[in-house]
Amino acid sequence: QQQVKQSPQSLIVQKGGISIINCAYENTAFDYFPWYQQFPGKGPALLIAIRPDVSEKKEGRFTISFNKSAKQFSLHIMDSQPGDSATYFCAATDSNYQLIWGAGTKLIIKP
Amino acid sequence: KAGVTQTPRYLIKTRGQQVTLSCSPISGHRSVSWYQQTPGQGLQFLFEYFSETQRNKGNFPGRFSGRQFSNSRSEMNVSTLELGDSALYLCASSTQGDTEAFFGQGTRLTVV
Repeated sequence: QQQVKQSPQSLIVQKGGISIINCAYENTAFDYFPWYQQFPGKGPALLIAIRPDVSEKKEGRFTISFNKSAKQFSLHIMDSQPGDSATYFCAATDSNYQLIWGAGTKLIIKP
Repeated sequence: KAGVTQTPRYLIKTRGQQVTLSCSPISGHRSVSWYQQTPGQGLQFLFEYFSETQRNKGNFPGRFSGRQFSNSRSEMNVSTLELGDSALYLCASSTQGDTEAFFGQGTRLTVV
């Protein structure tokens, strides 16, 4: 019940296309859902985050869509660029303040 | 303000040895978490410290231990190193643990 399932494991998208990464969870006590971006040789960095009281949050080309009833949330990257090529992690946190991580998605944007 | 600092950046150790890694969190952050990252395994949670107390612990053997000092700096120790301990060890700090976690660049440990 503590798991966050992330898919796909890897994704190749053409430049200018839309990249979509999905995550699903079981624990209804989760109340904070961040997405992190990691470039090779670097630690992950927070990209965008959402709380369950909203269904969508947009920051520039990055959007989180949140479906509370389905216990799913997804990251959409519009107009994907080669510089977006990275590994993306979804996560969720509960009242114990512990981040539960998805397995990661390696995104490659082809020029 | 300064980010999360992890030292050393790279480390090569021999099987059976022990190692200590250090993490200096962002000033004012009281929560420090440690992760192990290996290719294809994502981020495996080791433990989290908050105000010098271990608040959460992952599923790692007792060879992995940590502590946090009064200035929030944290260390993790791995004893009796095994080849499988070769990984990138990441430290993250946050104010409370449920807000943005800031990661260091990690310590790359190689066990030979």
